[in-house]
Amino acid sequence: GQQLNQSPQSMFIQEGEDVSMNCTSSSIFNTWLWYKQDPGEGPVLLIALYKAGELTSNGRLTAQFGITRKDSFLNISASIPSDVGIYFCAGPPNGTASKLTFGTGTRLQVTL
Amino acid sequence: GAVVSQHPSRVICKSGTSVKIECRSLDFQATTMFWYRQFPKQSLMLMATSNEGSKATYEQGVEKDKFLINHASLTLSTLTVTSAHPEDSSFYICSILHGRYGYTFGSGTRLTVV
Repeated sequence: GQQLNQSPQSMFIQEGEDVSMNCTSSSIFNTWLWYKQDPGEGPVLLIALYKAGELTSNGRLTAQFGITRKDSFLNISASIPSDVGIYFCAGPPNGTASKLTFGTGTRLQVTL
Repeated sequence: GAVVSQHPSRVICKSGTSVKIECRSLDFQATTMFWYRQFPKQSLMLMATSNEGSKATYEQGVEKDKFLINHASLTLSTLTVTSAHPEDSSFYICSILHGRYGYTFGSGTRLTVV
């Protein structure tokens, strides 16, 4: 099946630093969704991207839909302790209108 | 946005018993719900797609006789783990689909089989 690989797998950063992570696929996606999962909770949608090249912001978060449609990027500016969690990219694989494939996840830890 | 309630949040059961997990869509009539499983430090893996009034569609490798899904109403889908074994211990999460790409997830159920 289609895989979504996220990089980095985990990262430790200091409060106030900017964070970048990416998600790559072996095949084309028409929609990219970025989620955050807190421990013991379900994922919560952060940003949705629907068009190649699209750049969308949600507060301190900015995500981009790669031109090749095989990748996406998420940036967090001026990180704060509550940014701690696991960030997942996800999308419906080509040809499946509703099922989501999730990325491998990036675990973010923020130190004071 | 839609609100999804999942219950229980945690359950411990003995090996060989069955456990039922409920997923309720509180403010949206969900014809389609999804069930995921997440092992520690891993991603969410889709188990099955639950369709109201019809049989669920299971992903490859997921035993339909072991993970029974019932979606009898537009607001409730249940997942029953039958004859549970320790290897079934996991975090189970449901989600609903509202609109084209509107997915809302439940808060998950931590199942521990002892």
